[in-house]
This record gives sequence, structure tokens and C-alpha cells, in this order.
Amino acid sequence: NAGVTQTPKFQVLKTGQSMTLQCAQDMNHNSMYWYRQDPGMGLRLIYYSASEGTTDKGEVPNGYNVSRLNKREFSLRLESAAPSQTSVYFCASRVNPNSYEQYFGPGTRLTVT
Amino acid sequence: AQTVTQSQPEMSVQEAETVTLSCTYDTSESDYYLFWYKQPPSRQMILVIRQEAYKQQNATENRFSVNFQKAAKSFSLKISDSQLGDAAMYFCAYRAPYYGGSQGNLIFGKGTKLSVKP
Repeated sequence: NAGVTQTPKFQVLKTGQSMTLQCAQDMNHNSMYWYRQDPGMGLRLIYYSASEGTTDKGEVPNGYNVSRLNKREFSLRLESAAPSQTSVYFCASRVNPNSYEQYFGPGTRLTVT
Repeated sequence: AQTVTQSQPEMSVQEAETVTLSCTYDTSESDYYLFWYKQPPSRQMILVIRQEAYKQQNATENRFSVNFQKAAKSFSLKISDSQLGDAAMYFCAYRAPYYGGSQGNLIFGKGTKLSVKP
């Protein structure tokens, strides 16, 4: 099992450009999450998908959209990147919303200039 | 709203010694879960230990143990016999159970950077 995978690992964007961060898990988990991590901060939830076909906003959803493409894949889109979106982005998954353990991907470091 | 506070931005410990990282949280729930995650320089988030609030017994995982004080809303992590590989950021996290309006999302503290001196 690869666990949770994310692509790309690094990305540099210019202000106003768009891009999609990809996340996939091969553990047959129902719930998937997107977080961002800024210096001096813990992880903050952007969006989540409790189960296939549903998505909900987290703590910091502004400027982002998500798609739960199927049970395996959960993508995060930046339509018009801003310097404030420079961050490390983590995808995570759980068997279901009430499971104990959350498995994290390796993260994507995004820089917006 | 639930909050998690880690009051020690940085800590240092001598190899083979013991160190305790502090965490406090605020919640009106009686049933919840608490976690400690380790983030080494590789950025990978690794679950170290978890505690269910309904359990009075403190969780232990090898050299890692917690001191869970429910009334005080305190959840500290003790690392015994510290090793160089323990150097990392440590995050305390809270999760309410998934029911009703709660989606059971993780709420993280800001982290404590632990250095281990040889």
C-alpha cells in the first residue's frame, strides 16, 4: 500500500495562476481532508469529505475549491493563487469520520510569488 | 469552539533524558479524543499516541506516555530516554466524536519544536 499520495511535492506559481493539488489514497477510506500548514501554526482544515459524494468547508476555505472525484481521490483547486496561499498543503484520510487514526500524505510545498 | 494551546514553542533535552511537552485544550464536550503527532524535517505527520477522554488510564506507547488531566483539560506528552531521532515538531490535536453537527475534525495546536542534544 502506498497510503496517501500527493502530487506535486513542490510548486511555484505566479499570482493569479491556477492549479490543482492531487491526493489519492489506496486504503479504501471513506473520509478525506485537506489542511494547510503555515510557519508557527498547526495544521488548519481547508475542506473535507466525510464520504464519497460529500464535501464541506473547514476553518479556512476561502480561495479554494475541492472535488471528491471518487472514493480514492480528493483534489484541491486554487482558481487564482495569491501570496497568502503560500503554504504546505497536506491531504489526509480516515476509514470513516469517527475513526481514531488519520493518515497523512507527504505534503505539497506551494509558493506563490 | 474548541481550541488547543501549546505554550512551549521550543524545548530542548539531553539525549537519554526525559522531557515533557505541554498541551491544554478547551471544550464543552465530555467525550472526545486527544492525539500527539510528530513531524520530523521530512514533513511527514506521524501519530505518536492517542487518548480517549472516557478512559481514566493514561496512554503509553513504548517511551512515550501522556498525563491526561480531564478536569484541568491538560494533555502533556512525556518522552523518556530521549533519542536523537525524537527531534521534531510535536503537535497536540483534539477531536470531538462524529455526531450531529460535529464532523469529528482534528484541531491542532501550534506545535512545539523539540531539539535533542547529544
